[in-house]
Amino acid sequence: QLQLQESGPGLVKPSETLSLTCTVSGDSVSTTKYYWGWIRQPPGKGLEWIGSIYYRGDTHYSPSLKSRVTISVDTSKNQFSLKVTSVTAADTAIYYCAEVGIYFYYMDVWGKGTSVTVSS
Amino acid sequence: QSVLTQPPSVSGTPGQRVTISCSGSSSNIGSNTVNWYQQLPGAAPKVLIYNNNQRPSGVPDRFSGSKSGTSASLAISGLQSEDEADFYCASWDDSLNVVFGGGTKLTVL
Repeated sequence: QLQLQESGPGLVKPSETLSLTCTVSGDSVSTTKYYWGWIRQPPGKGLEWIGSIYYRGDTHYSPSLKSRVTISVDTSKNQFSLKVTSVTAADTAIYYCAEVGIYFYYMDVWGKGTSVTVSS
Repeated sequence: QSVLTQPPSVSGTPGQRVTISCSGSSSNIGSNTVNWYQQLPGAAPKVLIYNNNQRPSGVPDRFSGSKSGTSASLAISGLQSEDEADFYCASWDDSLNVVFGGGTKLTVL
């Protein structure tokens, strides 16, 4: 059974880089069956797509975040990661990682989410 | 401002049928499939409907989805108190990313 778990600092200073990791269990991050995605949810607000990656490195990013976001895969650790540079308070959110089906591009399995606050 | 437009809230009484609309454009709903997510309070979202009208295993058939042109809707029949949640529509956009609706809060009166 596929499970995902986000990890990373809960507090990041403004202008610094937010780094999160999603550990995959129950399947290989190198599988051809899924994309791997990141989604965030600011406090009291709706869901926002950040981006996704395929095992061979193909990425799709939200146009509004593209200049600051990098998603990568580490097959040796069965993980995929998110980096957001030059963060501001607007990046404060719960960050979710998810498995994204390749046919209909829906998020079938989600991590529980990790809360990140941007503050000095 | 979300790319897909949903009503902020809907409500109904137990046993009633409610619908949630989702309006998009030719670059997303008009040319791609629609997925729906349910987010219970304090929990991660869960897929409810994918590919416009398909239910993953375990999702009750009280939940149904439809799509027409650049709009989609989620219907919930036989409303139950445990259905109270936030619901989001989403679609792939031709700009190569996923777009979400702003979310609809369902209140069971």
